[in-house]
Amino acid sequence: AQSVAQPEDQVNVAEGNPLTVKCTYSVSGNPYLFWYVQYPNRGLQFLLKYITGDNLVKGSYGFEAEFNKSQTSFHLKKPSALVSDSALYFCAVRDTGGGNKLTFGTGTQLKVEL
Amino acid sequence: DGGITQSPKYLFRKEGQNVTLSCEQNLNHDAMYWYRQDPGQGLRLIYYSQIVNDFQKGDIAEGYSVSREKKESFPLTVTSAQKNPTAFYLCASRSALDRGPGYTFGSGTRLTVV
Repeated sequence: AQSVAQPEDQVNVAEGNPLTVKCTYSVSGNPYLFWYVQYPNRGLQFLLKYITGDNLVKGSYGFEAEFNKSQTSFHLKKPSALVSDSALYFCAVRDTGGGNKLTFGTGTQLKVEL
Repeated sequence: DGGITQSPKYLFRKEGQNVTLSCEQNLNHDAMYWYRQDPGQGLRLIYYSQIVNDFQKGDIAEGYSVSREKKESFPLTVTSAQKNPTAFYLCASRSALDRGPGYTFGSGTRLTVV
């Protein structure tokens, strides 16, 4: 069975500094990986995904993620954080079996401070 | 605009009651999913449906039931057998195409047992 780990419950960063939210995965076969962001009492908003191709994926709102097959990681990054980036971030992997289900990590709360 | 609509946004249930959460999509997606979100646990899959009149249990189906009589609709019933139903419930649908975000999420229903 596939799984996703987000080792940090919370990440704090100063506005203007680069941010990284970590994600590692375990899956048989080629991974389909996703990042989502959630604001309080809202649904999930898609940021980016990796299916195949370039290891550096660019997404919405200036976010990008680097796929590293040898380290089974898919860390989310942004060169310069904004206070408005403060939210809950989820990494997910798509099931390679039936149903195309998404398996999520436990989420990382990002707090960007002035 | 195309999207997923979940209703109600907030729902209060008394002990022993069944309640039904609505999920409607106008994206013409075949597959639909129900997730439960609890703090610190990420999103866990309750049920999913890949086509009309067919659905499968997810990881935490006990105490829940679903139906898929129409492509657009995938209601979730939280039964009295669900011991701890207080949570945030998210519905999603999936496009068969790999272009774009693939999955679209509703804005959620927060269920509270009173």
